[in-house]
Amino acid sequence: EVQLVESGGGLVQPGESLRLSCAASGFTFSAYWMTWVRQAPGKGLEWVATIKEEGTEKYFVDSMKGRFTISRDNAKNSLYLQMNSLRAEDTAVYYCARETNGGSLDNWGPGTLVTVSS
Amino acid sequence: QLVLTQSPSASASLGASVKLTCTLSGGHSTYAIAWLQQQPEKGPRYLMILNSDGTYRQGDGIPHRFSGSSSGAERYLTISSLQSEDEADYYCQTWGTGIRVFGGGTKLTVL
Repeated sequence: EVQLVESGGGLVQPGESLRLSCAASGFTFSAYWMTWVRQAPGKGLEWVATIKEEGTEKYFVDSMKGRFTISRDNAKNSLYLQMNSLRAEDTAVYYCARETNGGSLDNWGPGTLVTVSS
Repeated sequence: QLVLTQSPSASASLGASVKLTCTLSGGHSTYAIAWLQQQPEKGPRYLMILNSDGTYRQGDGIPHRFSGSSSGAERYLTISSLQSEDEADYYCQTWGTGIRVFGGGTKLTVL
């Protein structure tokens, strides 16, 4: 059974950093592209970043380029999202998702809540 | 620019059918999409991938009550024999090189 479990969320102050992790199991992690998606309270889904199987290609939504970094450790079956210079508008539940068929997100974690507030 | 447009809300009666629409922006009518369901207070759940020719493949464990179809730039999700647990937000999602896009979501109310 495919399982994705995010961790690392919490309450941080504006300007601080946070690193999210996603532990994957039940599939060959190194064979899949992976994606981070976020959802602000009461809002829709927003794509954050995507990384290729070997980590050689990475894509970000323009508004987060330069502040967020996506990475992975295939030996540890783990995906990461490094978030710097956090702002109040980054407050959201952050999900990791597995990609298949070139880009559809076929398995999702339960999410981890990031709250940016002073 | 790759954009997906969804109506904000829809409603239908228990036991009836409902058809939700997702519209691809101009020049992208051949793109496949995925349909996702998000029940209250839960993470998204993958329902299916839907191609431009109307063929679709459901995710594991998805009931056959959920089906897809296509017409031009429109992608549809039909839910038949509506049940109370179908009350949820439904999102369409698509992708291109270096980009992933979500529609704004449709909130489905089961009356």
